[in-house]
Amino acid sequence: ETGVTQTPRHLVMGMTNKKSLKCEQHLGHNAMYWYKQSAKKPLELMFVYSLEERVENNSVPSRFSPECPNSSHLFLHLHTLQPEDSALYLCASSPNEGGTYEQYFGPGTRLTVT
Amino acid sequence: DQQVKQNSPSLSVQEGRISILNCDYTNSMFDYFLWYKKYPAEGPTFLISISSIKDKNEDGRFTVFLNKSAKHLSLHIVPSQPGDSAVYFCAAAVYGQNFVFGPGTRLSVLP
Repeated sequence: ETGVTQTPRHLVMGMTNKKSLKCEQHLGHNAMYWYKQSAKKPLELMFVYSLEERVENNSVPSRFSPECPNSSHLFLHLHTLQPEDSALYLCASSPNEGGTYEQYFGPGTRLTVT
Repeated sequence: DQQVKQNSPSLSVQEGRISILNCDYTNSMFDYFLWYKKYPAEGPTFLISISSIKDKNEDGRFTVFLNKSAKHLSLHIVPSQPGDSAVYFCAAAVYGQNFVFGPGTRLSVLP
């Protein structure tokens, strides 16, 4: 399998549930990202990991908790979410070396919080 | 306050003609720019990039132009094909870190 994969593709959860989103990249990239895309809004960067270390957290609520166990895998742990957290969550990776910064995205997880 | 703007929410072009998608930015520190296209139910797909040391980059039917003084970039698609119908996003960053995305322009290429 190649590229960036995300599971699950769709998720419906209640506000008291705990769930996790998974991302895997097969591109040998050094950096991985979580983005949120809400309806009619631009992509918002949530978290950045470079060489498995978190380098950016754009003031994301603590109900979102990322984990990067190795350079190929990235998780987003979700707990006690709110209905306004319903959105498309996208994972991306990039080489981040040699002046190459293009990000390659997975297909996304469509999250609905009820 | 949006740092990256795409002021046209949608654009329709006849097949075979040129499509021009525009993007404006406010942060003069941005030095690396990307264009993506997105089909429904898929993640964005990288198209083409340009760094601030250049004013043009070409890849097949896609050309990106950068006007640093105007803080403006554009994506030209020639010739446009029906398969190019998608939402196009521009993104900008400083030193390639923490890209800021525009809201997107929906391109429809009519047969």
